[in-house]
Amino acid sequence: DVKVTQSSRYLVKRTGEKVFLECVQDMDHENMFWYRQDPGLGLRLIYFSYDVKMKEKGDIPEGYSVSREKKERFSLILESASTNQTSMYLCASTSSHSNQPQHFGDGTRLSIL
Amino acid sequence: GQNIDQPTEMTATEGAIVQINCTYQTSGFNGLFWYQQHAGEAPTFLSYNVLDGLEEKGRFSSFLSRSKGYSYLLLKELQMKDSASYLCAVRALRGGATNKLIFGTGTLLAVQP
Repeated sequence: DVKVTQSSRYLVKRTGEKVFLECVQDMDHENMFWYRQDPGLGLRLIYFSYDVKMKEKGDIPEGYSVSREKKERFSLILESASTNQTSMYLCASTSSHSNQPQHFGDGTRLSIL
Repeated sequence: GQNIDQPTEMTATEGAIVQINCTYQTSGFNGLFWYQQHAGEAPTFLSYNVLDGLEEKGRFSSFLSRSKGYSYLLLKELQMKDSASYLCAVRALRGGATNKLIFGTGTLLAVQP
């Protein structure tokens, strides 16, 4: 069974802080994704990676960066946290085969005060 | 542009059948996924359609018509535990990795006794 693990379920940070969200998957998947989920807006893609050290911007990359130094780990970085980044953050992974679904972690509920 | 529409909320009765519709307009099409998401939890994969027709999986079935840009998720013999959000997601053909998904905002289903 695929396991996608996010480092924290709940996180509270202050405006201006640098915030790191970590995600690890155990299925040797090539593709990894970071989303945020907000009421009425659904899941929106922030960044994704299709290989180690490779990254591509999603639909809402502003204010975020990512790091993929190892295949199993994909980190989301909020360079200088702002209150409008308060959200639920979801990590997902999938193999390169087109019929395979994305598997999600349990999410990190991040509050920026 | 890319657009996925599904009803915001639906209510149904325990033991009944409910159909959740999804229409999409995307630049290309390479598969449609349905996910279930209980409150505070990660989305979990339900079904995948890439060819026209019906895919059945126990109490859940999913239908696709590519010419109409339309899919539905059919839930039979509803149980209280089926109360959740149901997310429709399309894999559209874009430049770069083809495993990115575009998500609808989800349909919140309430099952009543």
